[in-house]
Amino acid sequence: DQQVKQNSPSLSVQEGRISILNCDYTNSMFDYFLWYKKYPAEGPTFLISISSIKDKNEDGRFTVFLNKSAKHLSLHIVPSQPGDSAVYFCAASGASGGSYIPTFGRGTSLIVHP
Amino acid sequence: DSGVTQTPKHLITATGQRVTLRCSPRSGDLSVYWYQQSLDQGLQFLIQYYNGEERAKGNILERFSAQQFPDLHSELNLSSLELGDSALYFCASSGPGTRSYEQYFGPGTRLTVT
Repeated sequence: DQQVKQNSPSLSVQEGRISILNCDYTNSMFDYFLWYKKYPAEGPTFLISISSIKDKNEDGRFTVFLNKSAKHLSLHIVPSQPGDSAVYFCAASGASGGSYIPTFGRGTSLIVHP
Repeated sequence: DSGVTQTPKHLITATGQRVTLRCSPRSGDLSVYWYQQSLDQGLQFLIQYYNGEERAKGNILERFSAQQFPDLHSELNLSSLELGDSALYFCASSGPGTRSYEQYFGPGTRLTVT
């Protein structure tokens, strides 16, 4: 069973508009959430994270929102740029033998059209 | 460039064979993680080593094994290969301490089993 779900395999957005990528989780023990970005032929790159004690974290054009009651988080990219075209992985982490291994979703492929 | 290196980039081998994938973590990182990404799948955690010791185990098959050496590089050994083992294998590293949510990924090794 998937504990971290990204229900949209792909998303297409016009340059300059907002991109919203969604992620749902089922395990209430998760207390730290991350987004990774992956270009073809490269490994995932850490993008932004949020602790469960917050409901919003912002870094430049990227904002992550966390709704703990709904077990839902989202990544907003404003404004979207063609260089943002990549696969975005949502990940969630929580105490598991003290190791905090993140559990990843299957990813959402974002295409930003010029 | 994440600072994590993986060799080889590509590997093509036949069923029943054994291969070794190599990973060098970022300078100063003590934890190494191995992940498998099959087609349309998220990153599946296989195993973590911390300073030479196995720290956490995920969905790693008995045919697979790993180790981390005194110089902190790690190897993932895959034996009795099957067609279904064809995947991207990523190595990641994180900084000192086990509560290292943010991981730095290498570019991956693409394994094709024919």
